[in-house]
Amino acid sequence: AAGVIQSPRHLIKEKRETATLKCYPIPRHDTVYWYQQGPGQDPQFLISFYEKMQSDKGSIPDRFSAQQFSDYHSELNMSSLELGDSALYFCASSLAGGGYTFGSGTRLTVV
Amino acid sequence: AQKITQTQPGMFVQEKEAVTLDCTYDTSDPSYGLFWYKQPSSGEMIFLIYQGSYDQQNATEGRYSLNFQKARKSANLVISASQLGDSAMYFCAMREGPVDKIIFGKGTRLHILP
Repeated sequence: AAGVIQSPRHLIKEKRETATLKCYPIPRHDTVYWYQQGPGQDPQFLISFYEKMQSDKGSIPDRFSAQQFSDYHSELNMSSLELGDSALYFCASSLAGGGYTFGSGTRLTVV
Repeated sequence: AQKITQTQPGMFVQEKEAVTLDCTYDTSDPSYGLFWYKQPSSGEMIFLIYQGSYDQQNATEGRYSLNFQKARKSANLVISASQLGDSAMYFCAMREGPVDKIIFGKGTRLHILP
């Protein structure tokens, strides 16, 4: 069965650089969620999209932006990277009333 | 206020024993869902089991069962016959409403001892 695909799996960036993370949800899933998990922390909700429209927003810094495209894939853009942005970034997708499927995550390291 | 509370930061259990991981939740929404995820050291978030607020029976999936006590707002995960591969971080999570985001507890790190 198709899963949620995230790319890249690992990313190393320097401070003040920009990063773009990609997420390809399960086909026919209508909602995409982004989470950030710092070292030793629980995942924190960043933002979600329902049918390509932003549906909810969590503790996402102003330096971050996200969008969902016509093919339903989503991208999280992160600018002016800081050391504290180093984390595991998860994308998840769901169909209304159904379960959530997480991708394998992108591990971002800012040096 | 914390909506999902996991009171056990870490647990050590002998292999083959049963394990209960505690989770309490707080919501005023009558429609909600409860999840348990396993996160091994490799980092991926693995879905284990789901319980809907209107489900009459406790959810079971193989060696995993969810002890759902609605009045007490409790959703404990029970792992029967633990294995070394069960060593991981376990997160309890909740969704309020049918399409809302899920929020996580702080997690319990489970260590299975040979």
